[in-house]
Amino acid sequence: NAGVTQTPKFQVLKTGQSMTLQCAQDMNHEYMSWYRQDPGMGLRLIHYSVGAGITDQGEVPNGYNVSRSTTEDFPLRLLSAAPSQTSVYFCASSYTRTGGMHTQYFGPGTRLTVL
Amino acid sequence: DQQVKQNSPSLSVQEGRISILNCDYTNSMFDYFLWYKKYPAEGPTFLISISSIKDKNEDGRFTVFLNKSAKHLSLHIVPSQPGDSAVYFCAASNYGQNFVFGPGTRLSALP
Repeated sequence: NAGVTQTPKFQVLKTGQSMTLQCAQDMNHEYMSWYRQDPGMGLRLIHYSVGAGITDQGEVPNGYNVSRSTTEDFPLRLLSAAPSQTSVYFCASSYTRTGGMHTQYFGPGTRLTVL
Repeated sequence: DQQVKQNSPSLSVQEGRISILNCDYTNSMFDYFLWYKKYPAEGPTFLISISSIKDKNEDGRFTVFLNKSAKHLSLHIVPSQPGDSAVYFCAASNYGQNFVFGPGTRLSALP
């Protein structure tokens, strides 16, 4: 199993550009999520999905879109990049959000810089 | 306002000694807690968990203690090893809801 994979590892964008961060998992997990990590802020939830075709907003969704057309893939789109979106982005997956008794598996992260 | 706090941004400990990492939370509805460990340029990896029906959970060198009345949990690493040097995140969840993460504590276990 590859686990959770993310591409690219690094990306530099100019303000106003758009891009898609890719995330895939091969563990047949229902629940997938995107976080951003900023210094002193920990991991903050951007968007999440409890299954194919179902997505919802997390704590900091503005400026980001997601879709979940398959169980395996959960891409994150930045429609018009802003310097405030400079961060490290992590994708995670787990069997289920409900019940509390689950473990999230994280990808290696994408370091994004917006100039 | 942060619901999960880790008030020590960093901690240094000598190899072989005990490391104690602390976490406080404000939401009394949280009932499940996790600790994650993160090395540079990698994603966080799950370390240990505890539910609110317990006050202690052990896994090898790692023990998590939960004090619900104080809304406080701690992670004990005994004995500390240089490979334990990493950032440790505390996370909390209300049953069926998404996890909320603390800002992390950077542990340096010195040889």
